Amino acid sequence: QVQLQESGSGLVKPSQTLSLTCTVSGGSISSGSYSWSWIRQSPGKGLEWIGYIWHSGTTYYNPSLKSRVTLSVDKSKNQFSLEVQSVTAADTAVYYCAREPNGNNRDVFDIWGQGRMVTVSP
Amino acid sequence: DIQMTQSPSTLSASVGDRVTITCRASQSISSWLAWYQQKPGKAPKLLIYEASRLESGVASRFSGRGSGTEFTLTISSLQPDDFATYYCQQYDSYRTFGPGTTVEVK
Repeated sequence: QVQLQESGSGLVKPSQTLSLTCTVSGGSISSGSYSWSWIRQSPGKGLEWIGYIWHSGTTYYNPSLKSRVTLSVDKSKNQFSLEVQSVTAADTAVYYCAREPNGNNRDVFDIWGQGRMVTVSP
Repeated sequence: DIQMTQSPSTLSASVGDRVTITCRASQSISSWLAWYQQKPGKAPKLLIYEASRLESGVASRFSGRGSGTEFTLTISSLQPDDFATYYCQQYDSYRTFGPGTTVEVK
């Protein structure tokens, strides 16, 4: 079955760039039937959708984060990635990657990674 | 932006109880609502989508109702494994989660 796994630095200094990668196993990221999302969870703001990307590279971002966020996809590695620029303590959170099926009115997050804790601190 | 609210924020219940959680959207989202269950240290798990459709493999004691701006998640007979936090999420416009409802042991 499809599994997702986040990886990347767990500690980032303020004003620097947070970078995470999600590796998809058991299925192809190139399937046109899915989009691939990032979601974060912090004690202060709960669950927050960051954005999603299709295998074509088309992206949609949360308007509140759009100016600082970049998603990308590497089909050769079956991975997609997140960058958040100019981080502050408010970006400290558990970051999840998730799969979203497209169509059949089921555009929800049906498979999640285990989550990666990222702390922003000097 | 579509805002989501949930009530109550915490619910104390016993095994066997019927439990209902309410989720409200700041504007109509038709039936584009999902419910998730989350346990400490784990990722959320999809329970229901399109307001009332049960995700494959999810116990039938979970049910969802509603449309427009008001939705409910009901657990017909609470089981020990059901003590967790529950989130609603709209997918009508972008994606927004509710603040969560924690179901705790009474």
